[in-house]
Formats: sequence, structure tokens, C-alpha cells
Amino acid sequence: GAVVSQHPSWVICKSGTSVKIECRSLDFQATTMFWYRQFPKQSLMLMATSNEGSKATYEQGVEKDKFLINHASLTLSTLTVTSAHPEDSSFYICSARTQLRTDTQYFGPGTRLTVL
Amino acid sequence: AQTVTQSQPEMSVQEAETVTLSCTYDTSESDYYLFWYKQPPSRQMILVIRQEAYKQQNATENRFSVNFQKAAKSFSLKISDSQLGDAAMYFCAYRSDYGGSQGNLIFGKGTKLSVKP
Repeated sequence: GAVVSQHPSWVICKSGTSVKIECRSLDFQATTMFWYRQFPKQSLMLMATSNEGSKATYEQGVEKDKFLINHASLTLSTLTVTSAHPEDSSFYICSARTQLRTDTQYFGPGTRLTVL
Repeated sequence: AQTVTQSQPEMSVQEAETVTLSCTYDTSESDYYLFWYKQPPSRQMILVIRQEAYKQQNATENRFSVNFQKAAKSFSLKISDSQLGDAAMYFCAYRSDYGGSQGNLIFGKGTKLSVKP
């Protein structure tokens, strides 16, 4: 099956610093990637949708200047949390969709971000 | 806007028994997909089963089956012969098949399933 990786799997940073999270589709080309955020014991909330080569589409209430998303290639999307604060601490999950199986999303293992 | 509701925050089942997880959704669209995802303690989202709205036949994957009632907007998951490894959070999800949709998933709040040995 299709594999999606995320790096790092966890990261601890100081308040005010920026953190970059990578999402890669390892064995397929992802025309669309999604970034979700999951707070403890809660569901996944869509943050943004990125299509290769174009600007990401952010959900209402998500600050695009704070959560920078780049989808520069068909196998890589990055999420950068700029000037991170403790309230940004969460579990971030990406998923990828191919043209071939557009009804199925493949999820990465997630990245746990802790901001001190 | 579409919504997905899972009314059971927690469920428990005895090993080898059958359990049904409930899911209802609200949409004005006629074409869409419905999914059940499993999230074990590792937090990796695992697709359990998928249902296309245009198909009347309920999807089945080994011990997992769904009861899809389109008119009632209901999509329940039945797990037969429950195993200890089935213990996880289960999320019901909706995906629009509308041409202008980006294809993102809308998730319910989840049901935590415990399996007793």
C-alpha cells in the first residue's frame, strides 16, 4: 500500500522559534496533501489543503502567516510553525491523495510538537 | 456544511463478541464517500473500510462491515469476533465527491473502543 512518512516524529522547541515538519509520499505522487491538527482526546481538524505547485488553501480560523505550507514537489509538503507558542503544542498529521485513487487518503504517522 | 456525528464517546466489547459503532452525518450532496478509520495508541490513522454513497451494497472487509442507510444518513460499523488488537479510537469520516471539492475528510469526534479479554 501507499506509504506516507513524516519527519520529525516528535519535536520540542522553545517559545518563539520556528519548526518545520516534512510530509513525504514514499511510493506515489501526491497531487494533494492535507494537514490536520489533533488535540489530546479530540478529533482531527483540517488546517489546510495543499496542491503541488500552488498556494495552500487554509481553513477558516487558521493563520496562514503562522502555519506556512509549501508543496514544492509531488512527493513533499512541509508545514512550518513560525514563532511557536505553547498553545501550538499539538499532534500534526498529514495525509496524501493520489490521482489514481482519489477517494482514498493515506496518512502519515504524525508529529508531536511541544512548545515550552 | 457537512457534519459527522459519533454519539458514543466510548464503547466496550468482550473479546470474540460483536460490537457496533454508530455514525450519522448531515449533507445535502448526493455523491460522497464515507470511511471508518482506526487510530491505535501509536496515533497512526488506519483505513478500516470505505463506502461509496452510490453503492447500495454495504461494504465488508473481513470482520468489519457497515450498515449504510443513505436516506437516514447513517453509517454504522460492525466489528465481528472482536480481538484485543481492535482496541483503538474509531473515527467516522465523510468526503465530498462534488467536483469542486478538495477531497478533504470531515471527521466525527471518535469512539474509543475497549476490548475486554
